[in-house]
Amino acid sequence: AQSVTQLDSHVSVSEGTPVLLRCNYSSSYSPSLFWYVQHPNKGLQLLLKYTSAATLVKGINGFEAEFKKSETSFHLTKPSAHMSDAAEYFCALSYNTDKLIFGTGTRLQVFP
Amino acid sequence: SAVISQKPSRDICQRGTSLTIQCQVDSQVTMMFWYRQQPGQSLTLIATANQGSEATYESGFVIDKFPISRPNLTFSTLTVSNMSPEDSSIYLCSESADGDTQYFGPGTRLTVL
Repeated sequence: AQSVTQLDSHVSVSEGTPVLLRCNYSSSYSPSLFWYVQHPNKGLQLLLKYTSAATLVKGINGFEAEFKKSETSFHLTKPSAHMSDAAEYFCALSYNTDKLIFGTGTRLQVFP
Repeated sequence: SAVISQKPSRDICQRGTSLTIQCQVDSQVTMMFWYRQQPGQSLTLIATANQGSEATYESGFVIDKFPISRPNLTFSTLTVSNMSPEDSSIYLCSESADGDTQYFGPGTRLTVL
């Protein structure tokens, strides 16, 4: 069975400090993995995706994620948080090439 | 990615009524999907909207409650029928041109009283 686990429901950081949002997955197949961001009262925006090319994936707004098969992880990082990064972040897994399974989300708070 | 719009952006409805949500994509796409996001929760796939044929529903979702149409490659509708307060959610459509990466619309925020 396929599943996605986001290990932290809330993460708080100070502006200018690094961000780490953790995601573990379980999949019988070689997965495609995604990170999406949802700002308040907005839809989901794709940050980045992993589809078995490079294991380190760079996305928009300075975010990146590293696929680690041995750890079944796909953690999202950013070197320096901005106030505008405050949002809900969702890790998702794709199987059968079309269906997305989402994690429960991590709410990122950024303090000045 | 294509630009996706949804109508209405939000609505407040009375229980027992039905609401139809529209999803418009600005280019032809292979696949369209409908998701539900209940308050404070993650997204759950309702169904895949198939062009010219019946939608494919996920476990726990039925056509009588969530009828879906997809008359062409750029448009789909989701109807939430006989609504109850438990149907209060954000409903999002998404598209995938390559069958792998999905892009989402802005969502429809539904409140049922």
